[in-house]
Amino acid sequence: EIVMTQSPATLSVSSGERATLSCRASQSVSSKLAWYQQKPGHPPRLLIYGASTRATGLPARFSGSGSGTEFTLTISSLQSEDFAVYYCQQYSDWPKTFGQGTKVEIK
Amino acid sequence: EVQLLESGGGLVQPGGSLRLSCAASGFSFSSYAMAWVRQAPGKGLEWVSVITNSGDSTTSADSLKGRFAISRDNSNNMLFLQMNNLRPEDTAVYYCAKDQPTQMYPYDSGSFDYWGQGTLVTVSS
Repeated sequence: EIVMTQSPATLSVSSGERATLSCRASQSVSSKLAWYQQKPGHPPRLLIYGASTRATGLPARFSGSGSGTEFTLTISSLQSEDFAVYYCQQYSDWPKTFGQGTKVEIK
Repeated sequence: EVQLLESGGGLVQPGGSLRLSCAASGFSFSSYAMAWVRQAPGKGLEWVSVITNSGDSTTSADSLKGRFAISRDNSNNMLFLQMNNLRPEDTAVYYCAKDQPTQMYPYDSGSFDYWGQGTLVTVSS
């Protein structure tokens, strides 16, 4: 099973600042990496797939990068609606494992 | 508009069974693999099971094999999860999710582009 490790567990950021979230795979997943956003009481929302392709309608302030085992989600200028938990997921191999999540909170 | 609506959750005693359903609409249901993902209270996401678009093949998390079974009815755009011998650690919100393949032909499963609102399963005596 491919283990996905996200860091940090919690990220405290002020509105308007840049947020950088990391995700590491225990073995190469090529570019088969997705990022999801989840707000309390809501299902996850797909943000990024293929490591860097934004989902339909996603604002350009969200960007994904990386390949192999190291990936990054960057939010260039945090808006109030961006405070949430973010998960990465690999879909290179079964089971499709998720990271443990990074909570982005208001500083 | 893609919609996924889960139902069937509730309170069940340890050792009991439950069948979850997911009604899909707004897309060609029979063209896509579908999955169940769960989330224990206050915890992260855990992939549970997946079924191919035709229903001829399924894969489940190793920890659940033999207790959970995924199935689908393409005639009625429905996805199911039969859960047997439930344990307290199965307590979670269960989401159905639509697969977004990296390619359709041949089909290569990818990320999950649409999710239902979830149904809560509580296993407790």
